[in-house]
Amino acid sequence: LAKTTQPISMDSYEGQEVNITCSHNNIATNDYITWYQQFPSQGPRFIIQGYKTKVTNEVASLFIPADRKSSTLSLPRVSLSDTAVYYCLVGDHGGGYNKLIFGAGTRLAVHP
Amino acid sequence: GAGVSQSPRYKVAKRGQDVALRCDPISGHVSLFWYQQALGQGPEFLTYFQNEAQLDKSGLPSDRFFAERPEGSVSTLKIQRTQQEDSAVYLCASSLGLGQGGNQPQHFGDGTRLSIL
Repeated sequence: LAKTTQPISMDSYEGQEVNITCSHNNIATNDYITWYQQFPSQGPRFIIQGYKTKVTNEVASLFIPADRKSSTLSLPRVSLSDTAVYYCLVGDHGGGYNKLIFGAGTRLAVHP
Repeated sequence: GAGVSQSPRYKVAKRGQDVALRCDPISGHVSLFWYQQALGQGPEFLTYFQNEAQLDKSGLPSDRFFAERPEGSVSTLKIQRTQQEDSAVYLCASSLGLGQGGNQPQHFGDGTRLSIL
């Protein structure tokens, strides 16, 4: 299983760009990198997924270097509503399905 | 509904009682997952269904935990003879089906918060 390491917490202010970096040194060739967001009293919500280089959607960007041993989730111009826990996951494809292995995540606090 | 629905949202039970937690996945989703989330921790995998077949139950903590999905849609997680350490949020997720690599996002419900007194 590919283990991930990410900061326990981060603080930011409204309007700033936030970058959360995740390390996954043992990522397997076929593994994708996926980020989820979780608000209190809600289930995790899929944000973005990538395999290599850069992926961008309406919510975030994901940067993955060539060696794929780390990845960076970039949230542009955060607002108070972006305060949440962000999880970086690398897929476990045993049995042909993606059993998600969550770590403790990064608690992002956005301040006014 | 458009999303994964779980009921009840909150459940309080006395130690030793049996509980049943329900999950209604997104219509047409083949894959269904149950996770357990302790306070301040990330979700932990419990079990996986592909349609009605339970293909992985490696995360179930003990034989007191039992899950079923008899018709390949609604799923029930049952905990027998509950204990205080069973207190947690139980999350259900569904995804469209088998995909290549990890490109099948899972859609989560908001969970059932179980408290054992």
